[in-house]
Amino acid sequence: NAGVTQTPKFQVLKTGQSMTLQCAQDMNHNSMYWYRQDPGMGLRLIYYSASEGTTDKGEVPNGYNVSRLNKREFSLRLESAAPSQTSVYFCASSQLTEAFFGQGTRLTVV
Amino acid sequence: KNEVEQSPQNLTAQEGEFITINCSYSVGISALHWLQQHPGGGIVSLFMLSSGKKKHGRLIATINIQEKHSSLHITASHPRDSAVYICAAWDTDKLIFGTGTRLQVFP
Repeated sequence: NAGVTQTPKFQVLKTGQSMTLQCAQDMNHNSMYWYRQDPGMGLRLIYYSASEGTTDKGEVPNGYNVSRLNKREFSLRLESAAPSQTSVYFCASSQLTEAFFGQGTRLTVV
Repeated sequence: KNEVEQSPQNLTAQEGEFITINCSYSVGISALHWLQQHPGGGIVSLFMLSSGKKKHGRLIATINIQEKHSSLHITASHPRDSAVYICAAWDTDKLIFGTGTRLQVFP
């Protein structure tokens, strides 16, 4: 099925651990995004990539790195997880003004 | 001040009621999305609007570009409409989200 695939769906990390959230889309979209969703805050942009090989910071990039491996894949890395990074993470892709979202990753940092 | 603001934040309704959710934005946009998120679920795009009005089943979305305002209406609301509704504005090459409106429709 066409769409945006995110893995994993759930993850629990200890403070200081690292992990990578994976995202892939099969719609040949140029732009991809990582957002986090926190209660009362809405969705906030962490990083985005307007095309393969480019990445830009969003509203809340601190503590994260990204990699646009190819046109399909855009990964989000937490090098040293902190409790403040407990959140639900969404990947999205877009072409022109259409946007599609992954199912989300619920991350808990203890 | 958020660049995209929604009201109300929470909304409860009885089944059958007409519902309106409002979205105001301060950025210059090329288009606006209305999205739906069920509890624990993913995000689904309901509408993408750049002008005028769109209708899909019981859902109607309108946008007034001059006033920088959009509304989402639900006619004959049903408990399965209970969800968070989010408006998101395209600002050049990225989406900026409102904080969402949590709707609960009771039978």
